[in-house]
Amino acid sequence: ILNVEQSPQSLHVQEGDSTNFTCSFPSSNFYALHWYRWETAKSPEALFVMTLNGDEKKKGRISATLNTKEGYSYLYIKGSQPEDSATYLCAFRSGGYQKVTFGTGTKLQVIP
Amino acid sequence: EPEVTQTPSHQVTQMGQEVILRCVPISNHLYFYWYRQILGQKVEFLVSFYNNEISEKSEIFDDQFSVERPDGSNFTLKIRSTKLEDSAMYFCASSEVSLAPQETQYFGPGTRLLVL
Repeated sequence: ILNVEQSPQSLHVQEGDSTNFTCSFPSSNFYALHWYRWETAKSPEALFVMTLNGDEKKKGRISATLNTKEGYSYLYIKGSQPEDSATYLCAFRSGGYQKVTFGTGTKLQVIP
Repeated sequence: EPEVTQTPSHQVTQMGQEVILRCVPISNHLYFYWYRQILGQKVEFLVSFYNNEISEKSEIFDDQFSVERPDGSNFTLKIRSTKLEDSAMYFCASSEVSLAPQETQYFGPGTRLLVL
């Protein structure tokens, strides 16, 4: 059983604050790490897929980094806005498998 | 932008009944998946499907479950005799290919299944 964990489980930030959260995953047999943004009643939206140690990806105010050797990825949101409120899921894929294994998710609430 | 769609959005059924959950994957995608999330738990993988056969499945995907691509567009998950513990949100996903590490799985909005 693959252990993919995210922290914190939830957080509340004020509009304009920057925030970050963590995904930890097995450091062996790494293939890819995905980040998804999931708003209630909508489809989880793919944010990033990261495949190489040291990868950094950016999409607007959201960015992510990857450390495959120690088994973690950070997601950063700069200048949080109310529309960033969602659950952020990471999903780990190990070599030889098609499935992804999801973390517990971090539920972000941005307070106006 | 193309998207994965799922029907119905909600389904309530009695224990022991059969249910079929439907998905329309993105049209040029070749790999299809089902995941589920029991309330309060992680999203978990059920099955992947390629070239009209199951390519990978989890231990959850037992004989009560089956998948099918009955025509060129729909992808279905059937639960033969539902149990209370099958109550969950079921997500369909699709990807263009599966072998490349950078390949992304695109998810539908889910079907919430409640078994009474």
